[in-house]
Amino acid sequence: NAGVMQNPRHLVRRRGQEARLRCSPMKGHSHVYWYRQLPEEGLKFMVYLQKENIIDESGMPKERFSAEFPKEGPSILRIQQVVRGDSAAYFCASSRPGASSYEQYFGPGTRLTVT
Amino acid sequence: AQKVTQAQTEISVVEKEDVTLDCVYETRDTTYYLFWYKQPPSGELVFLIRRNSFDEQNEISGRYSWNFQKSTSSFNFTITASQVVDSAVYFCALSYNAGNMLTFGGGTRLMVKP
Repeated sequence: NAGVMQNPRHLVRRRGQEARLRCSPMKGHSHVYWYRQLPEEGLKFMVYLQKENIIDESGMPKERFSAEFPKEGPSILRIQQVVRGDSAAYFCASSRPGASSYEQYFGPGTRLTVT
Repeated sequence: AQKVTQAQTEISVVEKEDVTLDCVYETRDTTYYLFWYKQPPSGELVFLIRRNSFDEQNEISGRYSWNFQKSTSSFNFTITASQVVDSAVYFCALSYNAGNMLTFGGGTRLMVKP
């Protein structure tokens, strides 16, 4: 049973480009969470999605960031017009329907570097 | 609002020493969950333990032990006879019953020297 998959593992973008980060949840999981870890800091919650719905986006920056979790396919975290401050590790976690947050399983993360 | 504080940003010990990592939390919820995660140099997050607010029993797993004290809102983590492979960043985290997000502390970087 594969765990949470994230790709790419490393992503380099120039300032102004778009970054797309993908997360495939564990089999049977329909809830996805995105967290960001800035250098030398802890993880900060960004957004919580269920299939085709954004449930809580209280941690998302107001501009340039968006997330989706379509009926088919992985969840996508999209960052438009990236800036150097977006350089961070982005972690995805998933849980099954009806589970509490303590049953979140984390992926290996995507390390975004903006040059 | 929830908050997790790990006051020790960095700890350095010599192999075989015992080390305790502190975690203090704030929450208004009566039901909540506390976690510890390990982040080795490779970067992934490794789940270590979950504890719910109704269970104040201390737990021991091999060289690892956890001390949950509701009266002081602390959930400290002790590594006995530390090893070089324990070198990592350790995160304490909190979630509450009605919510679905984890609130992380800033992490403690542990360096175990041979």
